[in-house]
Amino acid sequence: EDQVTQSPEALRLQEGESSSLNCSYTVSGLRGLFWYRQDPGKGPEFLFTLYSAGEEKEKERLKATLTKKESFLHITAPKPEDSATYLCAVKRATGRRALTFGSGTRLQVQP
Amino acid sequence: GAGVSQSPRYKVTKRGQDVALRCDPISGHVSLYWYRQALGQGPEFLTYFNYEAQQDKSGLPNDRFSAERPEGSISTLTIQRTEQRDSAMYRCASSFEEGANVLTFGAGSRLTVL
Repeated sequence: EDQVTQSPEALRLQEGESSSLNCSYTVSGLRGLFWYRQDPGKGPEFLFTLYSAGEEKEKERLKATLTKKESFLHITAPKPEDSATYLCAVKRATGRRALTFGSGTRLQVQP
Repeated sequence: GAGVSQSPRYKVTKRGQDVALRCDPISGHVSLYWYRQALGQGPEFLTYFNYEAQQDKSGLPNDRFSAERPEGSISTLTIQRTEQRDSAMYRCASSFEEGANVLTFGAGSRLTVL
């Protein structure tokens, strides 16, 4: 069974204080690993897809990286508007085509 | 439509009643997914469709849950004989092609079973 574990559950940062969120996964044949952002009261919003170990993707203050067992979402010099829950998900190469999500990391960036 | 639309946004029902939750995906999107999300948790897969065909219903918790997408557009998730444990946010998502990795989620339907 596919498993996605995110840590920490919650993270509080000061504005400008860089950090990383972790996503550990177990999946039979990884098709892709995905990062989504979810604001309170809204549905998840797509950020990145990573397909193979060593791949990196960047968007503004966010950079996602992938190894064979985990992914990191690095947040550089965060701003209060980066506050949200960040969800990691995996998709199999075969079998179920739907995404399996982790529980998320709730990030709060204080000014 | 411009986004994925779900209705009702909020539904309060008594235990034992049936409920129907509706999802109107982005126009032209082929795949439609239903997820359930408990507070503080990530979305949990329920079922998905490509066009009108239900491809995978392995995530449906039991036979009280069913879903349909008869014309390959709007979908309905039906829960029969609701129980308190069914209370959750039910989210619909769609993607523009089969197997696409980018899902666009709706705002969800919050179900409360008293």
